[in-house]
Amino acid sequence: ETGVTQTPRHLVMGMTNKKSLKCEQHLGHNAMYWYKQSAKKPLELMFVYSLEERVENNSVPSRFSPECPNSSHLFLHLHTLQPEDSALYLCASSQDRSGFTGELFFGEGSRLTVL
Amino acid sequence: AQRVTQPEKLLSVFKGAPVELKCNYSYSGSPELFWYVQYSRQRLQLLLRHISRESIKGFTADLNKGETSFHLKKPFAQEEDSAMYYCALSYTGGFKTIFGAGTRLFVKA
Repeated sequence: ETGVTQTPRHLVMGMTNKKSLKCEQHLGHNAMYWYKQSAKKPLELMFVYSLEERVENNSVPSRFSPECPNSSHLFLHLHTLQPEDSALYLCASSQDRSGFTGELFFGEGSRLTVL
Repeated sequence: AQRVTQPEKLLSVFKGAPVELKCNYSYSGSPELFWYVQYSRQRLQLLLRHISRESIKGFTADLNKGETSFHLKKPFAQEEDSAMYYCALSYTGGFKTIFGAGTRLFVKA
């Protein structure tokens, strides 16, 4: 596998379920990101990890919980979501230089539907 | 606050016509500007960045600091250019890339 891979590609969950989204990058990058893409809003940055440390959290509700165990893997843990959380969740990576993002490499996304 | 504005949600042109997708930004320092593209059923990917000054797939974009704009242009649109285009901004110390709302380009035959 090369680039950025996300699993699962599609996920349907109830409001009381707990699930996780996984992202893996094979590019040797040192920064990873979660973005939310929905029909009604532009790309929303959710979380940023640089050198495995969270450096940005854009006021995301606590029902979304990120985890970055190493520079190649990023998770988004989901629990007690709301129907309005249904969206495409995009993972991206980049080579961060002193806080400068540079080119982002995106995964294909995980399409989440909350019933 | 940093912001990227793409005033057009949808732009429809005929094949062979010139196309310009507008982008304005707000940032007081020296940003780096990008254009990303998302073709149907494909992942979001970089089209071009202002520091490289390249022409990619016939597209060019010039950074105008006076007008804080980074418009994307192509002299002759092709049907395969139909896609969603996002203007984006990043800056040193920002740890993030900020995206505009996107413009859907539709090139008609």
